Amino acid sequence: EAGVVQSPRYKIIEKKQPVAFWCNPISGHNTLYWYRQNLGQGPELLIRYENEEAVDDSQLPKDRFSAERLKGVDSTLKIQPAELGDSAVYLCASSDFQSKQETQYFGPGTRLLVL
Amino acid sequence: AQTVTQSQPEMSVQEAETVTLSCTYDTSENNYYLFWYKQPPSRQMILVIRQEAYKQQNATENRFSVNFQKAAKSFSLKISDSQLGDTAMYFCAFTTLSSGTYKYIFGTGTRLKVLA
Repeated sequence: EAGVVQSPRYKIIEKKQPVAFWCNPISGHNTLYWYRQNLGQGPELLIRYENEEAVDDSQLPKDRFSAERLKGVDSTLKIQPAELGDSAVYLCASSDFQSKQETQYFGPGTRLLVL
Repeated sequence: AQTVTQSQPEMSVQEAETVTLSCTYDTSENNYYLFWYKQPPSRQMILVIRQEAYKQQNATENRFSVNFQKAAKSFSLKISDSQLGDTAMYFCAFTTLSSGTYKYIFGTGTRLKVLA
């Protein structure tokens, strides 16, 4: 079974530029999470989807961050414009709402560096 | 509010030895789940072990086992026969069902280095 897929793995951009990250969850997992992980810290939730509905986006900085999961499968997280403080690893995770929904499986992450 | 505390920023252990990583948490919930995740330098977060709070028996996965002390709100991870591949960041995580959602709270992590 394929795991959570994320792309790109690395991204370097200049501040004020836009950037987008893509995530494809484990097949059949209808819950999808985006996290931000700063260096030396644990992940912090940005947004959670149940199918195509964003059910928890309270930690998403909505002035510059947006996310979508149009067909309830893969998802895109966008930052526009990026700031220096956005440099971090962006992790995507998924879980199976039907069983063991409390267990999340993570993708490899996208490491973003904003110059 | 729930919190997860990992008080050991870094640890090291000799290959083949046993090491214990500490984790404490705070919650007023009675039903919850605890996890240990491993994150090697490649950054892929991998589930190591999972414990349901309503189960008294400590979870075990091969060389990995936990010591779950519900009253003390303690959830330590024991790695037996440490291997070089165990070198990674280890995160303790807590989740409970609240308002129909599972929200994870992660600790700050323990960097474990296995020495040859």
